[in-house]
Amino acid sequence: QVQLQESGPGVVKPSETLSLTCSVSVGSMSGYYWSWIRQPPGKGLEWIGYMFHRGSTSMSYSGSTNYNPSLKSRVFISVDSSKSQFSLTLRSVTAADTAVYYCARYCSGGTCYGYYFDYWGQGTLVTVSS
Amino acid sequence: QSVLTQPPSASGTPGQRVTISCSGSSSNIGSNSVNWYQQFPGTAPKLLIYTNNQRPSGVPDRFSGSKSGTSASLAISGLQSEDEADYYCAAWDDSLNGLWVFGGGTRLTVL
Repeated sequence: QVQLQESGPGVVKPSETLSLTCSVSVGSMSGYYWSWIRQPPGKGLEWIGYMFHRGSTSMSYSGSTNYNPSLKSRVFISVDSSKSQFSLTLRSVTAADTAVYYCARYCSGGTCYGYYFDYWGQGTLVTVSS
Repeated sequence: QSVLTQPPSASGTPGQRVTISCSGSSSNIGSNSVNWYQQFPGTAPKLLIYTNNQRPSGVPDRFSGSKSGTSASLAISGLQSEDEADYYCAAWDDSLNGLWVFGGGTRLTVL
């Protein structure tokens, strides 16, 4: 059973940077995409992006990420498998970025027999306010 | 303003069969598989159906999914009170560099 847990500040000031970490309880992070999804209060789900961890190194920085085009200029996702964690950075936040942020594992092809988000964290509310 | 269109609400009485629709386009549902998620208030979404009609281990067979053209449906038979939740459809969209898109969600009420 894979468990994920988000952590980070609950309040961020406008124009500043939102940073969240997701801790993963799993033997290995390699071979999967690690994703962030958010949900504004009372609204639907919005995919932020994900990063694939190949497993050859403890850090995955580039070449294997995909971001929502509407957020791409402000978002960065990284994976640190040595700590069993992955992170979200969202720059220049506004009130529109107020949401519950979920981390999730994305299962893609192969033995997944499909493409879907199968394990989710409990979510953490981030409010953008001065 | 969601890319995938779902009715905002649906309802049924215990034992009934309820369906929830999800309408998209050729760039998402028309060319990719559909997943469904169930979400209870204050909790994270849970994968309910993947690849149009597959159930993860532990999901009752009362839940079923189908896809035709640019639309998909989630059916719940033998409706139970504990099925009262929000349901979201999702699909990969091939536009731009590609992105995951979700429906706006359907609030299911068991009367």
